[in-house]
Amino acid sequence: DAKTTQPNSMESNEEEPVHLPCNHSTISGTDYIHWYRQLPSQGPEYVIHGLTSNVNNRMASLAIAEDRKSSTLILHRATLRDAAVYYCILMGGYNKLIFGAGTRLAVHP
Amino acid sequence: ETGVTQTPRHLVMGMTNKKSLKCEQHLGHNAMYWYKQSAKKPLELMFVYNFKEQTENNSVPSRFSPECPNSSHLFLHLHTLQPEDSALYLCASSQQFQETQYFGPGTRLLVL
Repeated sequence: DAKTTQPNSMESNEEEPVHLPCNHSTISGTDYIHWYRQLPSQGPEYVIHGLTSNVNNRMASLAIAEDRKSSTLILHRATLRDAAVYYCILMGGYNKLIFGAGTRLAVHP
Repeated sequence: ETGVTQTPRHLVMGMTNKKSLKCEQHLGHNAMYWYKQSAKKPLELMFVYNFKEQTENNSVPSRFSPECPNSSHLFLHLHTLQPEDSALYLCASSQQFQETQYFGPGTRLLVL
């Protein structure tokens, strides 16, 4: 099963950009890279996903390495409400849906 | 509003009780999922239903019994649970299996 690795925690200041990295060196050609986040006391929520090209939406941007073995979730201006656990997972093909420990993002005023 | 609702939101039960968790999705999705999230642990996928058929059971103990009567509803029947089963139980749905999932708020279960 394809796995992802992320830093356990990161910190940011409000209004600054945040780059959350994810390594997925065993990704296969049909796997999509998905990002979810889980705010305290809530279920996870979808953030963004992509296959090969960089993606933008109202929440974030996703930058995918050319070899697809890593990706970076970019929050352009962090707010206090962005404090959450961010999960990078691979979906598609025969992969089981494995959520890792994620990255706990702290945002300081 | 995510379109996925779960009831109850909180549940306390004894080890000899039988209870059921309910999940309902209003998104017209075809796949539904049960996850378990224990304290300070990653989400663990328990069951997957695709077009009402169970397609995945990740070695879940038989004291957890899922039921999917139609594509909008998913239940998790609980009986003779153990204290270590205390956790947040999350339901999710997606249009098709392995596509973007939408999660409910979860049921926080405490087994005494």
